Amino acid sequence: AQSVTQPDIHITVSEGASLELRCNYSYGATPYLFWYVQSPGQGLQLLLKYFSGDTLVQGIKGFEAEFKRSQSSFNLRKPSVHWSDAAEYFCAVGDPLDGGSQGNLIFGKGTKLSVKP
Amino acid sequence: ETGVTQTPRHLVMGMTNKKSLKCEQHLGHNAMYWYKQSAKKPLELMFVYNFKEQTENNSVPSRFSPECPNSSHLFLHLHTLQPEDSALYLCASSQEGPGTEAFFGQGTRLTVV
Repeated sequence: AQSVTQPDIHITVSEGASLELRCNYSYGATPYLFWYVQSPGQGLQLLLKYFSGDTLVQGIKGFEAEFKRSQSSFNLRKPSVHWSDAAEYFCAVGDPLDGGSQGNLIFGKGTKLSVKP
Repeated sequence: ETGVTQTPRHLVMGMTNKKSLKCEQHLGHNAMYWYKQSAKKPLELMFVYNFKEQTENNSVPSRFSPECPNSSHLFLHLHTLQPEDSALYLCASSQEGPGTEAFFGQGTRLTVV
């Protein structure tokens, strides 16, 4: 069955430090890959997405992610974290080419990011 | 402004009440979704509507009843809920259908007492 794993439940980094959030997926084909961010009490906002082509994708707010097929990973990175980046981050996979329910977006459990001053 | 608007933002209801959650999207999308977000659990897809037709019901109890009168509006009718149904209910929409980029509303925080 398809699945998404975010191994880190909670990460704390200092403001200005670099950040990497991990995401691994289990899927039969190459899925569509997404990273979303959620601030407390809010909905999810799309940070970036990968469908095909260049495996390094740029997103909003200075985030980027790299798709590595051999590792079934899609890790999110930011070179310098700002205090406003404190939020929960969700990795998701989907396959619109799958006509059945297997194609629906599946989300990881999320990684909560705290930022120290 | 996300383009997907949910009302109300907060709802407290008793187990014998009947209430409805409303979602409206102004993005011209063809697919709409209800998700449930509980503490320490991944987002759970509840219902999928594609071109106003329900295409997914993920074994959701019948006390949750969705309605999609047109491609811009989605409702979730609630009746005789249980305390464990307390959660953040998120509506989303997408242009290309299931599995593609979804745009989320801000959610309705539901508390069942």
